[in-house]
Amino acid sequence: KAGVTQTPRYLIKTRGQQVTLSCSPISGHRSVSWYQQTPGQGLQFLFEYFSETQRNKGNFPGRFSGRQFSNSRSEMNVSTLELGDSALYLCASSLGVAGKNIQYFGAGTRLSVL
Amino acid sequence: LAKTTQPISMDSYEGQEVNITCSHNNIATNDYITWYQQFPSQGPRFIIQGYKTKVTNEVASLFIPADRKSSTLSLPRVSLSDTAVYYCLVALGDTTSGTYKYIFGTGTRLKVLA
Repeated sequence: KAGVTQTPRYLIKTRGQQVTLSCSPISGHRSVSWYQQTPGQGLQFLFEYFSETQRNKGNFPGRFSGRQFSNSRSEMNVSTLELGDSALYLCASSLGVAGKNIQYFGAGTRLSVL
Repeated sequence: LAKTTQPISMDSYEGQEVNITCSHNNIATNDYITWYQQFPSQGPRFIIQGYKTKVTNEVASLFIPADRKSSTLSLPRVSLSDTAVYYCLVALGDTTSGTYKYIFGTGTRLKVLA
């Protein structure tokens, strides 16, 4: 069974631009969660989507948004990029809501904002 | 704001047992505690998940006391390939909104020495 796939693996953007990251979950998984990983803040929860609805949300500004499609694939968008948005963005999928199920992670998308 | 803390680093020798503790307050009463392993440039990899008391699988054991305010990951007989960063992950529930935030621990960098 294929694992969680994130594209692209690397991105370079400049301040003020926007970016869209993509995540394809494990087949049959209905929940997708997104996390930001930085050396200073560690792993931080962004949001979780289940059956195309945002079910849970972390403490990130509205510039960070996401959506989930009917095939459970998910995208995350960051608008008006700031230097501090440089990070590894990780996507995880689970059969059901993440709090009660094992999350399986992709390799991440490394975003550099110049 | 709830915090989930772990020791920053640990050193061990091959063949020894390693115990890593995660302290977490305000954990949601019905959700699981999960531990992950992360190698450089990879996403976290699932190790073990538990709700209470003790859980054991082929690679690790997880001990959770009755109050669930901490958990201890036990790795028996570590090898050089176990050198990695280990994270706990807990779900923090908001009973008012019925939503969750998924909080990773601060991470423990384990170095296994020959």
